[in-house]
This record gives sequence, C-alpha cells and structure tokens, in this order.
Amino acid sequence: ETGVTQTPRHLVMGMTNKKSLKCEQHLGHNAMYWYKQSAKKPLELMFVYNFKEQTENNSVPSRFSPECPNSSHLFLHLHTLQPEDSALYLCASSTKMSRYEQYFGPGTRLTVT
Amino acid sequence: QKEVEQNSGPLSVPEGAIASLNCTYSDRVSQSFFWYRQYSGKSPELIMSIYSNGDKEDGRFTAQLNKASQYVSLLIRDSQPSDSATYLCAGGYGNKLVFGAGTILRVKS
Repeated sequence: ETGVTQTPRHLVMGMTNKKSLKCEQHLGHNAMYWYKQSAKKPLELMFVYNFKEQTENNSVPSRFSPECPNSSHLFLHLHTLQPEDSALYLCASSTKMSRYEQYFGPGTRLTVT
Repeated sequence: QKEVEQNSGPLSVPEGAIASLNCTYSDRVSQSFFWYRQYSGKSPELIMSIYSNGDKEDGRFTAQLNKASQYVSLLIRDSQPSDSATYLCAGGYGNKLVFGAGTILRVKS
C-alpha cells in the first residue's frame, strides 16, 4: 500500500471551495493516472500522464485541473464542484511499457456539499 | 454501448467451491485483459493478466480468454472467505484501461 500514496484520504468541501488532491508514487514508474469511482459504476479514467506530459483527458469538466510536476507526483485541483462529483478519486501509476498493469493508491473519498 | 460488461452479482459460492466470474467485451477493446480485485473500502489490485487466447493459471486462479466469443473469465478454485471482494475486468485500449462495473463475490464459510 505504500507504493502509491494519496492525501487527504477524506475531504468534504462546499461547492464554492478550492482544494487539491495529492498523489505520490515510490515505484519508479513514469505514467500516472486519475480515476473517478462512483457507486455501481465502472472506474472512470479522467487523466493520463506519461513522463509528466498529459496524454489523455477523458472529456473531464474544467472544474477538475490536473498537474504533474514530475514523474512521482500528481495533483488534482478542484474548484466549484457539484454534488454529483462526490466519489472516490483514485490515483494509479505504471511503467510506460506495462501501462495496463497499474498500481493504485488508497483513494480520496470526496464529498461535495 | 458499454465496452466491457460484467454481471454485478453478488455471486455467492460456498467455501471450497469454484467461483466463475465472467466478462464480455466489444470490438473496440484490445486483446489484453486484466482482472483486478477490490476489497471493500480498498483500492483495486491487479491479480491476473491474459494476452492470448486460452487459459492462464496462477495458483488458485485461472484466467480464460476466448477471442472468438469476446469473452474473458476468471475461475477461483477452492474459494476462501478471504476471496470475498469485487472483481473488476478490464481491457487495454490504446492509452487506457477500460473497466467493467465489477462483480461482487461472496464466499460463505
């Protein structure tokens, strides 16, 4: 579990707040991912970064803004969220060669009030 | 149309039985498939990958891929209560993994 860490683990925010989620991987990987997991729905890919470059934006609303300063760190900046954005946000990492074999962090449980 | 589909379950099996989890996929999903296990309140972890037609065995787990039928399955032999979890099927597609919604497995002692 310590290979990929996420903070905070739980977050409650109002619709007008701005907050950030942080992810750090200690596995020497060079690809990082943000997923959204809502109840009864498939894991939903949000963003993909390879070597700090964003290579996938899965039609995510602009109120979610990712940042990847280096291969080990990934942020998700949140602003003016909606109640339907309440979900578990999971970070994952992989090597570029084995991009489908992903290691997940514990997630941030987000509640938007 | 969903690209990877799974029966949500729950699938209940007695301890020691074989649990069979199934997944179908559309043409758009690539030929690389993965099974992730997610315990309640935890994050997904990779347990099996399969890249070619046929069976792949790893301990009590066997993954099966049938490309003609666009069908992937995971068999768990000698099921244990500790196998109770949600099992996510995923297919590799370009730059991303496409997940099914998951099947809940309950192993009763």
